[in-house]
Amino acid sequence: EPEVTQTPSHQVTQMGQEVILRCVPISNHLYFYWYRQILGQKVEFLVSFYNNEISEKSEIFDDQFSVERPDGSNFTLKIRSTKLEDSAMYFCASRQIGSYNEQFFGPGTRLTVL
Amino acid sequence: AQKITQTQPGMFVQEKEAVTLDCTYDTSDQSYGLFWYKQPSSGEMIFLIYQGSYDEQNATEGRYSLNFQKARKSANLVISASQLGDSAMYFCAPNGGATNKLIFGTGTLLAVQP
Repeated sequence: EPEVTQTPSHQVTQMGQEVILRCVPISNHLYFYWYRQILGQKVEFLVSFYNNEISEKSEIFDDQFSVERPDGSNFTLKIRSTKLEDSAMYFCASRQIGSYNEQFFGPGTRLTVL
Repeated sequence: AQKITQTQPGMFVQEKEAVTLDCTYDTSDQSYGLFWYKQPSSGEMIFLIYQGSYDEQNATEGRYSLNFQKARKSANLVISASQLGDSAMYFCAPNGGATNKLIFGTGTLLAVQP
């Protein structure tokens, strides 16, 4: 069964460093999302991506964040200068076109900023 | 902005009994979908069940069913014949916005006791 994959599973970085989180969505899906979950809190929407551009973003998704789909299969989230409060689980999700299709989540990347 | 309320931070249920997890939401959208996800202690997000706002029948998926009351804006998840493996965090998540992003509630932690 196709699945969303994410790498790495755990990333530890120093404050101020850049990180890139990688995702491979399901191949016939057209909408891609990033969410984050700070430990013990609810899952929060960051950004959605469709047709090679950002289609919606939350107020969390500030200038420190960027996304791209560099090669038609990978979908990346970059944080330019990490802060302590960026420590969280980051989930990638994808879905088929059509409003009522469920989003399939990847296993997540746990980011720890020291 | 949508507000999702899951009033039960934690629930206990005996194995083989049924349990209802509450969810109410506040949306001005006429057409939307309601999703429930399970997050076990391992952290992944697992899709359980979906209800469309225009669906006349309550959704069912194996041991999962939704008690959907559109006028009250509630979509409670019913798990029948609870199993030990059902112990997890459960999130209610309507979709919304231009890209049908998921908007998560705070979750209910379910513990199934033998």
